Amino acid sequence: AQSVTQPDIHITVSEGASLELRCNYSYGATPYLFWYVQSPGQGLQLLLKYFSGDTLVQGIKGFEAEFKRSQSSFNLRKPSVHWSDAAEYFCAVGAGGGADGLTFGKGTHLIIQP
Amino acid sequence: DSGVTQTPKHLITATGQRVTLRCSPRSGDLSVYWYQQSLDQGLQFLIQYYNGEERAKGNILERFSAQQFPDLHSELNLSSLELGDSALYFCASSMFGPGELFFGEGSRLTVL
Repeated sequence: AQSVTQPDIHITVSEGASLELRCNYSYGATPYLFWYVQSPGQGLQLLLKYFSGDTLVQGIKGFEAEFKRSQSSFNLRKPSVHWSDAAEYFCAVGAGGGADGLTFGKGTHLIIQP
Repeated sequence: DSGVTQTPKHLITATGQRVTLRCSPRSGDLSVYWYQQSLDQGLQFLIQYYNGEERAKGNILERFSAQQFPDLHSELNLSSLELGDSALYFCASSMFGPGELFFGEGSRLTVL
């Protein structure tokens, strides 16, 4: 069965500093990988996705993520965070085709310090 | 705005009761997914429908059921409610094929 681990429950970053959120997955084949963001009181919004090809993927709001097969990781990065980036971030793995739903990690709560 | 509409946004009910949550997917999306989000369990996949047919089932309790209607809207029925069913229930939709899920804003269920 597929699974996702986000080892950091909370991360605090100063505004303007760089950010890396960690994600490790377990899946038997080539995974489909996603990062979603959830702002308070809102649904989840897709930041970026990896299906195949270039292992460095660009997303919305200046985020990027790198797929590393050898480490079973798909870490999310941003060079300079803004106060509006404060939110809950979820990494997810899917079997592809949109079927069987996505398996989400527990999430990382990002706090931005002024 | 994701284009996915969920009603009601908030619902308070008592143990033992039954509720129905409704979801209208984005125009053109054939797949509907239901997720439950709670503090202890995180986001749990419940069930997926594709064009009216059940496509995949996750951690859905027997007390819960869902269906997708010919107009593609979906309903999640929760019965014999328990305190532990209090959670945020999300609906998401997608076109079938590798792609992203578009989430609604959720229905917050409180069971007292």
